[in-house]
Order: sequence, then structure tokens, then C-alpha cells
Amino acid sequence: AQTVTQSQPEMSVQEAETVTLSCTYDTSESDYYLFWYKQPPSRQMILVIRQEAYKQQNATENRFSVNFQKAAKSFSLKISDSQLGDAAMYFCAYNRDRGSTLGRLYFGRGTQLTVWP
Amino acid sequence: NAGVMQNPRHLVRRRGQEARLRCSPMKGHSHVYWYRQLPEEGLKFMVYLQKENIIDESGMPKERFSAEFPKEGPSILRIQQVVRGDSAAYFCASSQGQAQETQYFGPGTRLLVL
Repeated sequence: AQTVTQSQPEMSVQEAETVTLSCTYDTSESDYYLFWYKQPPSRQMILVIRQEAYKQQNATENRFSVNFQKAAKSFSLKISDSQLGDAAMYFCAYNRDRGSTLGRLYFGRGTQLTVWP
Repeated sequence: NAGVMQNPRHLVRRRGQEARLRCSPMKGHSHVYWYRQLPEEGLKFMVYLQKENIIDESGMPKERFSAEFPKEGPSILRIQQVVRGDSAAYFCASSQGQAQETQYFGPGTRLLVL
């Protein structure tokens, strides 16, 4: 079964600084998709960034970037120039490319990010 | 372009009652997924539906829970004879296609069972 592990239950960062959130996953597949979702206090799930496993280039979305290490099965999220609005619970998620469980997202338990002014 | 809509946003039920949660996917999306989030936990997959078809319900409890996505109207997650352990946030997501397509989430329904 696929598992996603986020080993940091909580992280904090000073406004304007950089923070990295860790995520590892377990899979025997070669093709898959990885995502970071953000859940602010409103509890709405918001997509932050996605990565296709077949792409070697790390995905980037403005201040958000990932470090995707396929061999190590690691998918960390870097937030640069942190803003107060970045404070949220961040979830790492995995999605297979094929098979009977196609479509379902597997989520980690989340990392609560606090941003200090 | 409206996002994924869920209603009600909050639902309170007494033990033994029925809960009906509704989800309208984004325009153009024909794939719907339901997830449950217990306090202090990540989201857990429950069921994946396309119009008039259940594709994967392996994450859904065998009893009391059912889901549908009719040809017309929203997707419905139905919980019969609710128990306190059903208290959770239930999220619906939709996508245009399968794994390669990003799932977009609704705001969730918070179910509280008294």
C-alpha cells in the first residue's frame, strides 16, 4: 500500500524567511503524481503545487518550489519569502498513475506551519 | 468559474439519524471523490465516482455509508444511523480526468453527531 509520511508535525518560520517542509512516500510504481495542498484555518483544501514523477525538473509556483528526489522517494516543499498568509496545515499527497486504486489521493498527516511577524 | 460546491457546510445530527452531504463538481468535471478528515489527521479516501458509476468504493465503510453521482444533480454521500465516530469533516473533490488530473476540493462539510 502506498504511504505518505510527513515527519514534522509542526514548523515555524519568521516572515520573509525560507522554510522547507519534508515528505517521503513509499511506492513500487515508476509513474505517479505528487502534490502539496494547503489547509488554512478556513479548512479549505488549496492546491499549492504538483509534480509528475516522470519529470526530472522540480516544479515551481512563484514562492513555492519542490525538491523531488525520486530515488530517495522524497518530495519536500520550500517556501521562500514567507508571508503571514502562508500559515496553514500543509499536506503532502500521492496519486498513482495506473492500477485498481487509480484516482485516489494518499495523504500524509500534515505539517502545521506557523509564520511569525 | 465556480469551484467545487458542498452543502451544507455544517451539519448536526443525533445518533441514529441520517446525514446527506451534497457535492457539485466544478464545471466540466465528471470525476468526483469523497474524503474524510478526522481531527488532527490527514484526509482519507472514501469513494470515487463518475456519472452514474461507482469506480472505487474501497475506502468506504461497508455498512451505513453509500454514495451516488446521478446523471443530473450533485453527488450525494449518505450516512445512515450516524454514530459519534462519524463526526468529521467530509471533503469532496473533482477532476476532469483520472490520476493525471489535479483534484480540486470543496470547502468541506463538518458533521457533528451528538
